[in-house]
Amino acid sequence: EAGVAQSPRYKIIEKRQSVAFWCNPISGHATLYWYQQILGQGPKLLIQFQNNGVVDDSQLPKDRFSAERLKGVDSTLKIQPAKLEDSAVYLCASSIQGSSGKLFFGSGTQLSVL
Amino acid sequence: SQQGEEDPQALSIQEGENATMNCSYKTSINNLQWYRQNSGRGLVHLILIRSNEREKHSGRLRVTLDTSKKSSSLLITASRAADTASYFCAREGPGANNLFFGTGTRLTVIP
Repeated sequence: EAGVAQSPRYKIIEKRQSVAFWCNPISGHATLYWYQQILGQGPKLLIQFQNNGVVDDSQLPKDRFSAERLKGVDSTLKIQPAKLEDSAVYLCASSIQGSSGKLFFGSGTQLSVL
Repeated sequence: SQQGEEDPQALSIQEGENATMNCSYKTSINNLQWYRQNSGRGLVHLILIRSNEREKHSGRLRVTLDTSKKSSSLLITASRAADTASYFCAREGPGANNLFFGTGTRLTVIP
């Protein structure tokens, strides 16, 4: 079974630039999550999709972050414009049920904002 | 905040020894999960324990849950160098559809 695919693996940008991350979840997984993990901390949920609908985006900084999951399969997360404090690993995860179930994570995109 | 704390933040042991990590939380839960993260990689699910369970085993892993104390522990027996990683607990609360992760314990197993 193929895992959660993310790209790019690494990204370096200057502050105020834009960046986009892509995620392809495991086939058949209806729920998709984007997490932000700052160095030395645990992952923090940014947004959760159930199929192509948003379930929870309460912790997404909507003035600069946006995400979409067209057709309920793959998803993109965008930051525009980036700030220094956005430097982190952005993890995508998917699950079958969406609650009371385990999450499968991708390897993440490491973002450095200079 | 629904995020809790793992304790200790870092743990260094010799290969063959047992490693115990603790997780505390503040609100009621549906279940609690433990994940492992190798350096530079994503998280891997280890074990899930539901709020009505007290103990669960999986291979060399043993997880306990005490809902009265709002705490959980992860025991890795007969540790190996390959167990070196960060370990996170994640809590799912009632009515919640997502997981809240703690700050993690960094485990180093010395060969």
